Amino acid sequence: NAGVTQTPKFQVLKTGQSMTLQCAQDMNHNSMYWYRQDPGMGLRLIYYSASEGTTDKGEVPNGYNVSRLNKREFSLRLESAAPSQTSVYFCASKGGVRQFFGPGTRLTVL
Amino acid sequence: DQQVKQNSPSLSVQEGRISILNCDYTNSMFDYFLWYKKYPAEGPTFLISISSIKDKNEDGRFTVFLNKSAKHLSLHIVPSQPGDSAVYFCAARGETSYDKVIFGPGTSLSVIP
Repeated sequence: NAGVTQTPKFQVLKTGQSMTLQCAQDMNHNSMYWYRQDPGMGLRLIYYSASEGTTDKGEVPNGYNVSRLNKREFSLRLESAAPSQTSVYFCASKGGVRQFFGPGTRLTVL
Repeated sequence: DQQVKQNSPSLSVQEGRISILNCDYTNSMFDYFLWYKKYPAEGPTFLISISSIKDKNEDGRFTVFLNKSAKHLSLHIVPSQPGDSAVYFCAARGETSYDKVIFGPGTSLSVIP
């Protein structure tokens, strides 16, 4: 039982490049989330998915797209990376009221 | 505008004493509140929660108090231990959906041996 897994752990991009952050959970949870963590800003919600086939914007969705591929997987895509997207990205799933987080992806955009 | 606020970025406490971490929120529609703990280079982990219909919830050394009229909650850790040194996030659920969970900016707690 791996919980929530994220790939990659680290990534460096140049401005304008695209990439997809992958997330999977094996707890059969309906809800999944993408957050970014920046110093002094805490965890800000980018997108969430209440169930397979649905996605909703969070607090800071601009510059990102998501796909809820199936119940297990929820991916985050940066189409044209910008330095402002340098951050640590966390994926989470929710069972009951509590969320379970992955280990994070540290992304640097040069 | 932040809906969940943690106005103390950091807090230092002596081992064995009480740690009190505070959180304020602006949206009266929030119906559930949670605290998460985060160590460096790891994802946050759930610590304790409280429903808006309660004013206190206790789990071992951790107690959360909720004052709905003041839109304020606090996490008490007694006694504090060096292993409690981490960043603590307050989170709230239920603005428009039970699935939307908003976090505060966090408070970094240092417990000094």
